[in-house]
Amino acid sequence: QVQLVESGGGLVKPGGSLRLSCAASGFSFSDYYMSWIRRTPGQGLEWVSYISSGSTFTKYADSVRGRFTISRDNSKNTLYLQMNSLRVEDTAFYYCARGGRVPTTGFYYFDYWGQGTLVTVSS
Amino acid sequence: DIQMTQSPSSLSASVGDRVTITCRASQTISKFLNWYQQKPGKAPNLLIYAASSLQSGVPSRFSGSGSGTDFTLTISSLQPEDFATYYCQQSYTNLGGSFGQGTKLEIK
Repeated sequence: QVQLVESGGGLVKPGGSLRLSCAASGFSFSDYYMSWIRRTPGQGLEWVSYISSGSTFTKYADSVRGRFTISRDNSKNTLYLQMNSLRVEDTAFYYCARGGRVPTTGFYYFDYWGQGTLVTVSS
Repeated sequence: DIQMTQSPSSLSASVGDRVTITCRASQTISKFLNWYQQKPGKAPNLLIYAASSLQSGVPSRFSGSGSGTDFTLTISSLQPEDFATYYCQQSYTNLGGSFGQGTKLEIK
């Protein structure tokens, strides 16, 4: 079955860095777009970034552009999120999610999610 | 940017009730609208995609409707396992779509 397992979260000071990983199994990882989404306390879900199946395309939310970098290693079935210049407002649970699409249409969705990893930015 | 607004933000209901949650987009998004359920400590779960298509494995008591700017998620007869937070998400901007702020469904 499809499994996504995040790791790498923790406590970091403002201005610090963290690298999140998401280990995927149970599907052909290299065939799918992947994304990071976060849930901030009291703010609900916020899409952070996505990357195409072959790493050709990436996109970022305005709130993280220039500070976060998404990448993937299809040989290791692993998705990454390098987070630099972290701010207090980046405190959240970070989820990786698989991007699904209705064939031949533009209807996209996130059909599998990991359990999340907590990032706390505090001095 | 497309803003998604859900109402209500919280809702109390009883087992067996029919419940409707509303999601409004700040601009027309055709039927590019998904619904997710999240229980405490769990990953979000896709319920509905393309506004009205039921994801495989999701009980038929869940249904979605709408197009343009106004959408609804309906649970026809609440079950104990349905008490959770529900989010809508627009996919008009593909995978980078914004989410609503969530609707917390609680037991009355």
